[in-house]
Amino acid sequence: EVQLLESGGTLVQSGGSLTLSCEASGFTFSLYAMGWVRQAPGRGLEWISNIYGSGSTTNYADSVKGRFTISRDNSKNTLSLQMNSLKVEDTAVYYCAKGVKQWLDTYFDSWGQGTQVTVSS
Amino acid sequence: DIQVTQSPSTLSASVGDRVTITCRASQNIYSWVAWYQQKPGKAPKLLIYKASNLGSGVPSRFSGSGSGTEFTLTISSLQPDDFATYSCQHYYDYSPTFGQGTKVEVK
Repeated sequence: EVQLLESGGTLVQSGGSLTLSCEASGFTFSLYAMGWVRQAPGRGLEWISNIYGSGSTTNYADSVKGRFTISRDNSKNTLSLQMNSLKVEDTAVYYCAKGVKQWLDTYFDSWGQGTQVTVSS
Repeated sequence: DIQVTQSPSTLSASVGDRVTITCRASQNIYSWVAWYQQKPGKAPKLLIYKASNLGSGVPSRFSGSGSGTEFTLTISSLQPDDFATYSCQHYYDYSPTFGQGTKVEVK
């Protein structure tokens, strides 16, 4: 059974930094692209970043480009999201999601439970 | 970037109703669309992929159709467990963006 467990969400001040982690199990982690999707209070889902199976290729939404960095450690089955220069509008529940293939043009067939990030002014 | 627009934003319906939600893309995305169901406080759940393929364990009352720029999700007979928010997602390129969501509420 696929399991994705996010951690690292907390309250942080505007301008601060935070790293989210996602521990994966139940599948061969390196064979699948992974992504981060967030949901601000009362809003829809927003894709923010994804990463190729080997980690060699990444992509970001314009809203986070230059501030967030996605990475993965395939030896530890772990996905990470380094978030810098945080803004109040980054406040959201952040989900880790598993793609269905190695490449980035993928939908997500499994999701974590989400971790709350709150950015205060 | 490809924009994805859903309609309506909110839909009021009763148990047993046939429900249809539309998703429009700003350019041709062939059949590269997925649909998700989300309940409050929970993670999204995959319903449909490649426009019309049912996800694992998804009831057959859910169906998807469309290609190119217009897509629909249909619930043939709404059940109590189906009151939720539904979102489409394109995955034509490396920026797989979502529609804004459609909340299906009790009429």
